[in-house]
Amino acid sequence: GESVGLHLPTLSVQEGDNSIINCAYSNSASDYFIWYKQESGKGPQFIIDIRSNMDKRQGQRVTVLLNKTVKHLSLQIAATQPGDSAVYFCAENLRAAGYSTLTFGKGTMLLVSP
Amino acid sequence: NAGVTQTPKFRVLKTGQSMTLLCAQDMNHEYMYWYRQDPGMGLRLIHYSVGEGTTAKGEVPDGYNVSRLKKQNFLLGLESAAPSQTSVYFCASSYSKRGVTDTQYFGPGTRLTVL
Repeated sequence: GESVGLHLPTLSVQEGDNSIINCAYSNSASDYFIWYKQESGKGPQFIIDIRSNMDKRQGQRVTVLLNKTVKHLSLQIAATQPGDSAVYFCAENLRAAGYSTLTFGKGTMLLVSP
Repeated sequence: NAGVTQTPKFRVLKTGQSMTLLCAQDMNHEYMYWYRQDPGMGLRLIHYSVGEGTTAKGEVPDGYNVSRLKKQNFLLGLESAAPSQTSVYFCASSYSKRGVTDTQYFGPGTRLTVL
């Protein structure tokens, strides 16, 4: 079956650096993508989303880029802070029988050093 | 708004025991979901519901049952717990109408250990 995956399981950066977390998806029919942040012991928290009719979307300190040609998604975090340390998941929307569910990647651990 | 809440937060069961996990949301969302999260496996969908009185199987439904008697509640049941069901369980909800996808919002999780 098709699935969402991540290139890097762990990313270590210095405080103040920009971070880029990558995600590859394999379902060309996926039309909606979400990035979640999960801190230890907590549930996933929505960060930013993007629909397939867009290639870029910006939030506060975060930007998601979508490249449908190569089926690649990335999350950019500007001026990374220690509070950004967490596991980041990408998820893609899959349609089954007219209803939509999300398939999640395994996650990337972001470690931010002061 | 409390968002998505889950009870209990922690539970230890013996093999063969049964239990029910409760999820509640106060956002008037149509869709609700149950996931399990295991180390290195990410989030896997167990069951989901697209509305009151309806449920559907996800990726890993075996050993679980669900019910959605009220729009705001989604129950996950384990009839005969097995050690393989040791995991962290997350509930989520979204507004989604048919053909339209919306963000899923997650609860804080239930950590279940089956001995």
